[in-house]
Amino acid sequence: EPEVTQTPSHQVTQMGQEVILRCVPISNHLYFYWYRQILGQKVEFLVSFYNNEISEKSEIFDDQFSVERPDGSNFTLKIRSTKLEDSAMYFCASSEGLAGIEQYFGPGTRLTVT
Amino acid sequence: GESVGLHLPTLSVQEGDNSIINCAYSNSASDYFIWYKQESGKGPQFIIDIRSNMDKRQGQRVTVLLNKTVKHLSLQIAATQPGDSAVYFCAERTSGTYKYIFGTGTRLKVLA
Repeated sequence: EPEVTQTPSHQVTQMGQEVILRCVPISNHLYFYWYRQILGQKVEFLVSFYNNEISEKSEIFDDQFSVERPDGSNFTLKIRSTKLEDSAMYFCASSEGLAGIEQYFGPGTRLTVT
Repeated sequence: GESVGLHLPTLSVQEGDNSIINCAYSNSASDYFIWYKQESGKGPQFIIDIRSNMDKRQGQRVTVLLNKTVKHLSLQIAATQPGDSAVYFCAERTSGTYKYIFGTGTRLKVLA
């Protein structure tokens, strides 16, 4: 069964550094998403991406964040100048369509900012 | 990857019993709802969904009920099995948006 993959599984970085989290969505999917889950808190929407542009973003997704689909398979989340409070699990998801269509989540990348 | 906060509500059920997990959603403009299961170290996994023009939807061993009057969603799991032990989240999508809002989650523990 096709699945969303994410790398790395765990990323440790120092405060102020830039990180890139990588995702490979399911191949025939057209909509891509990033979520984060701070330990002990709920899953939070960050951004959705369709047709090579951001379709929606949350208040969390400020200028520190950016997303890119550099080729036909990868979908990346870049976090510039990381802060301690960016430490969280970051989940990528993809779906075939938008309304009423199942989103498939990856296993997540645990980001630890020290 | 699961929500392990001290304030996460927990539901303990005996194996073979039915489970009911509840969720209150916030936005009356939400038109689509999903239940997710999240096992330790994994991402959320889709269980079942329901649109706002329905009040009930059944899957294999699972049923979702939607009460729009009181903005309440429930997930019923029949004949709960040990493999059902996980954290369960509801998520709502506001009509016309691409954005899903997740609930806090409920931890389901299945007792043998």
